[in-house]
Amino acid sequence: EIVMTQSPATLSVSPGERATLSCRASQSVSSNLAWYQQKPGQAPRLLIYGASTRATGIPARFSGSGSGTEFTLTISSLQSEDFAVYYCQQYNNWYSFGQGTKLEIK
Amino acid sequence: QVQLVESGGGVVQPGRSLRLSCAASGFTFSSYAMHWVRQAPGKGLEWVAVISHDGSNKYYADSVKGRFTISRDNSKNTLYLQMNSLRAEDTAVYYCARGGQQWLVFRWFDPWGQGTLVTVSS
Repeated sequence: EIVMTQSPATLSVSPGERATLSCRASQSVSSNLAWYQQKPGQAPRLLIYGASTRATGIPARFSGSGSGTEFTLTISSLQSEDFAVYYCQQYNNWYSFGQGTKLEIK
Repeated sequence: QVQLVESGGGVVQPGRSLRLSCAASGFTFSSYAMHWVRQAPGKGLEWVAVISHDGSNKYYADSVKGRFTISRDNSKNTLYLQMNSLRAEDTAVYYCARGGQQWLVFRWFDPWGQGTLVTVSS
């Protein structure tokens, strides 16, 4: 089983600033990595797939990078609606999720 | 538009059974693999099971193997999860999600349904 580890668990950032979230895989997942956003009481929403491709309708301020075992989700110029929990998921060898990073308002 | 709507959740005693449904619309349901993912209260996401587009292939997380059965009825555009021998640790919101079109060609999940809550308690 591939274990996904996200850091930090909680990230406090001011609106308008940049947020950088990290995700590490216990073994290489190539570029088979997705990022999801989840707001309270809502289902997860796909943001990024293929490590760096934005899903349909996702604003350009969201960007993903990395390959192998190290991945990053960057949100430039945070908007109020971006404060949520973010999950990474590998789909290289079946499926597993990270434990999530909560992005909160500083 | 593409939509997934889960139903069937509720409160159930330990050891009992429950069947969840996920009604799909807005896309060719029979062309896609489908998944169940769960989320315990206040916790992260846990993948549960996947079924191929035609129902001939299924795969489960170790935590539910032998107790849960995923199935589908392509004539009704509906996905199911039969949950037997339920335990307190199965308490979670259960989401269905669309996968890819080819078995063993792993793909991201999009979209997801709104979820249905299952509570296992005496």
